[in-house]
Amino acid sequence: GAVVSQHPSRVICKSGTSVKIECRSLDFQATTMFWYRQFPKQSLMLMATSNEGSKATYEQGVEKDKFLINHASLTLSTLTVTSAHPEDSSFYICSARVDRGTDTQYFGPGTRLTVL
Amino acid sequence: GQQLNQSPQSMFIQEGEDVSMNCTSSSIFNTWLWYKQDPGEGPVLLIALYKAGELTSNGRLTAQFGITRKDSFLNISASIPSDVGIYFCAGRPNSGYALNFGKGTSLLVTP
Repeated sequence: GAVVSQHPSRVICKSGTSVKIECRSLDFQATTMFWYRQFPKQSLMLMATSNEGSKATYEQGVEKDKFLINHASLTLSTLTVTSAHPEDSSFYICSARVDRGTDTQYFGPGTRLTVL
Repeated sequence: GQQLNQSPQSMFIQEGEDVSMNCTSSSIFNTWLWYKQDPGEGPVLLIALYKAGELTSNGRLTAQFGITRKDSFLNISASIPSDVGIYFCAGRPNSGYALNFGKGTSLLVTP
């Protein structure tokens, strides 16, 4: 149990295009999901907290108009990188917090974004 | 959020040896979690701790939630080559659900 999927696993796009990344909790409900960005050999950097049915909460320094988050259901959150540029190339990982029971977060497998 | 102090930064050990790593913070946490991340993949939950003083095992892994609620350690006994990876500690503070992460401990195991 407690499986989180991400799609796509890797994407290459041209500069100026938008890319949507999906995060799904497969066997549990998640009112709250999180989006992280990870640079090589570094820890995870929290970008935003995604709440089902309400606006996401962004960390300081993260542009909300650049990284659009939608959490339309209890099992799906999406991150859209708008007008992507090479500096947006990174490893994006989502996590989902289990609604019921213990306070635990499970991570997706990550999405490698490369912007040319 | 606050970044946790995780040490050591890296470890290079021989198969069969025991490993210990720890995390400390300046503030208290309600939950401590330990994850392992392989290259190009997302972190996988190893052990979750919910109470101060709690000691929990998962196979060859043992972790403890410090009594002061400001620290946690993870031990790996009889290491094997597949233990190679980066281990992250994460803590959830009193407010909110977001986790604070350590910088990770890179573990290399030689046969």
